[in-house]
Amino acid sequence: NAGVTQTPKFQVLKTGQSMTLQCAQDMNHNSMYWYRQDPGMGLRLIYYSASEGTTDKGEVPNGYNVSRLNKREFSLRLESAAPSQTSVYFCASSNGYGYTFGSGTRLTVV
Amino acid sequence: GDSVTQMEGPVTLSEEAFLTINCTYTATGYPSLFWYVQYPGEGLQLLLKATKADDKGSNKGFEATYRKETTSFHLEKGSVQVSDSAVYFCALSLKTSYDKVIFGPGTSLSVIP
Repeated sequence: NAGVTQTPKFQVLKTGQSMTLQCAQDMNHNSMYWYRQDPGMGLRLIYYSASEGTTDKGEVPNGYNVSRLNKREFSLRLESAAPSQTSVYFCASSNGYGYTFGSGTRLTVV
Repeated sequence: GDSVTQMEGPVTLSEEAFLTINCTYTATGYPSLFWYVQYPGEGLQLLLKATKADDKGSNKGFEATYRKETTSFHLEKGSVQVSDSAVYFCALSLKTSYDKVIFGPGTSLSVIP
C-alpha cells in the first residue's frame, strides 16, 4: 500500500547514544516532515524539507539533525540522545492537500 | 500568530450519541482546514478537509463546514460508534514556502457501549 514507512517502530537508547530514524514515502510528495508527540504538548515540528535538497528547522530542532537523501527518504538523527528526547516521532509527507503520516517510532531514552 | 483552538477533552459519549467537537482558528492568510484522527498506537490519518469558505468536508459519517465569518470548522457526527474512539485534531494549512500545517492540541473521544 502507498504511504509513509517509518523504522524502527520501537527503540530504547541509553543517554549519549546516537541513532537515526528512517522515513520513506512512495507517493512522490515533495515535502516531508518530522514531528514529535508528547502528552500535553501536542504535535511539534522538528524539521521539514519543502523539496528534495532542502531542509529547514521547525519549532524544536535542538538535538536533532536531518537528511533529505532523495525525494523518497527523509531521516532524523539524534547525535547524543537525552531523556528529554523520549517521545513518539512521526514522519509525514504532503503534496499540498493534506499530510500522510507514518505509524510512528516510540523512542525511550534511559 | 496563526493558531488552532479546540474544545478541551476528554469527551465521553454513549454509542449512537451526537458528536460535536468545536474548532476555531486564527490565520493571517486564507487557510485550508482539516480534521485528522489518531487511533491508539497509530499515526494521524486525514479524516476530512475543506479548502474554501462554505465548503463541507465529509468522510465516514463525519462532517465539518468551513465558516469564514466565525473562523470555525466544527466536527460533527450524528451517531457515534465505539470504533470512533480516538483523538481528533483540527488543523489549518497555509501555503508558504512549504505546506505549513498548524495542529490543534487534539480532543480525546471515548465512546462507551
